[in-house]
Amino acid sequence: SAVISQKPSRDICQRGTSLTIQCQVDSQVTMMFWYRQQPGQSLTLIATANQGSEATYESGFVIDKFPISRPNLTFSTLTVSNMSPEDSSIYLCSVETGTSSGYTFGSGTRLTVV
Amino acid sequence: DAKTTQPPSMDCAEGRAANLPCNHSTISGNEYVYWYRQIHSQGPQYIIHGLKNNETNEMASLIITEDRKSSTLILPHATLRDTAVYYCIVSPYSGGGADGLTFGKGTHLIIQP
Repeated sequence: SAVISQKPSRDICQRGTSLTIQCQVDSQVTMMFWYRQQPGQSLTLIATANQGSEATYESGFVIDKFPISRPNLTFSTLTVSNMSPEDSSIYLCSVETGTSSGYTFGSGTRLTVV
Repeated sequence: DAKTTQPPSMDCAEGRAANLPCNHSTISGNEYVYWYRQIHSQGPQYIIHGLKNNETNEMASLIITEDRKSSTLILPHATLRDTAVYYCIVSPYSGGGADGLTFGKGTHLIIQP
């Protein structure tokens, strides 16, 4: 199944700044997904990114706060904009495998906003 | 919202079988039951899935009740490395799909030495 590389693996950022997280997949995939996992919580889907079209955001998430790029079939970025301490979370990239195993996940980006 | 209910935590002795229950009483006829687990500081990892028949692979077995309203994930010989949060998820797709996954709170399984 696909192997996902996420960068950075962790970062500590100042409030008011922005961080761009990269997700690189070792094979071409149609759909890429971005999730947020707040401390001690489960994963919540932020948006779905399809190559060549605008990302589709879930309720509670907006493009101005979490802009997403999907320039090709193996790469996507998620930006966390104008950060506040409430944005401190793990952000995970995922792709559908096209096999019965469903989805593969990256190891995540642990973001701390101070 | 997640369509599944799981106990928040469970303990199991190393070497014993770990049986993790999941309630999905509102599951539709075409929806699959998926199990993923998340080991600390890692992304979720696929374990197994099924529609109505019991399934077994190299990691685990999945027992789905005849009415499909509940299921049990069985780790036959738990090891310390099986300590993780286990998520039971209902999905209409086999092999992914365009909707992503809706995660519930999961069960934190702790394997005791």
